[in-house]
Amino acid sequence: AQSVTQLGSHVSVSEGALVLLRCNYSSSVPPYLFWYVQYPNQGLQLLLKYTTGATLVKGINGFEAEFKKSETSFHLTKPSAHMSDAAEYFCAVKGGQEKLTFGTGTRLTIIP
Amino acid sequence: EPEVTQTPSHQVTQMGQEVILRCVPISNHLYFYWYRQILGQKVEFLVSFYNNEISEKSEIFDDQFSVERPDGSNFTLKIRSTKLEDSAMYFCASSEKGDWGGGQFFGPGTRLTVL
Repeated sequence: AQSVTQLGSHVSVSEGALVLLRCNYSSSVPPYLFWYVQYPNQGLQLLLKYTTGATLVKGINGFEAEFKKSETSFHLTKPSAHMSDAAEYFCAVKGGQEKLTFGTGTRLTIIP
Repeated sequence: EPEVTQTPSHQVTQMGQEVILRCVPISNHLYFYWYRQILGQKVEFLVSFYNNEISEKSEIFDDQFSVERPDGSNFTLKIRSTKLEDSAMYFCASSEKGDWGGGQFFGPGTRLTVL
């Protein structure tokens, strides 16, 4: 079985500041980990994924995430926030099954 | 860039009525999924479908739900007798392969409102 915990349902950062969205996972098998972004009234867009190999993965729009097995974490970061980053972000895990298990999401607000 | 499409974008129905939500997955994908998101809650897995049969389903996916791939392009979710609690955003997704990390690609969703 697998689960995901996203710390912070709402995060606000100033434009140009560092974005850090936290995700911790639980999985009984080596996990595959994903971050999705959902803009208002749109579907889920895949930002990045970790499967095997390099633990630092880069995605679209300047986002990256680091898989830390010892901490069971997969936090999402972006060095400099842009207004267009305002959205809801979902961390998801897949562990030996086809289904994705999602966290509850983090709404990111960018302050001008 | 290929994408998953869903119709309709919004469906309003009366309690007890049947609804069919439609999806066109990405053309070379072989695995298909339905998820739902009740307002304010997390995205939940409903069912996965491969080779014309259900490969995995959640406890939410009871006898009121069914899925079908009626032709080479469409993938449908039917709810036989809708309940108020079925009101949610329903997302279709597809992937090239199943049990690997390639990622699932989601459609824009159908908002189902049951009155």
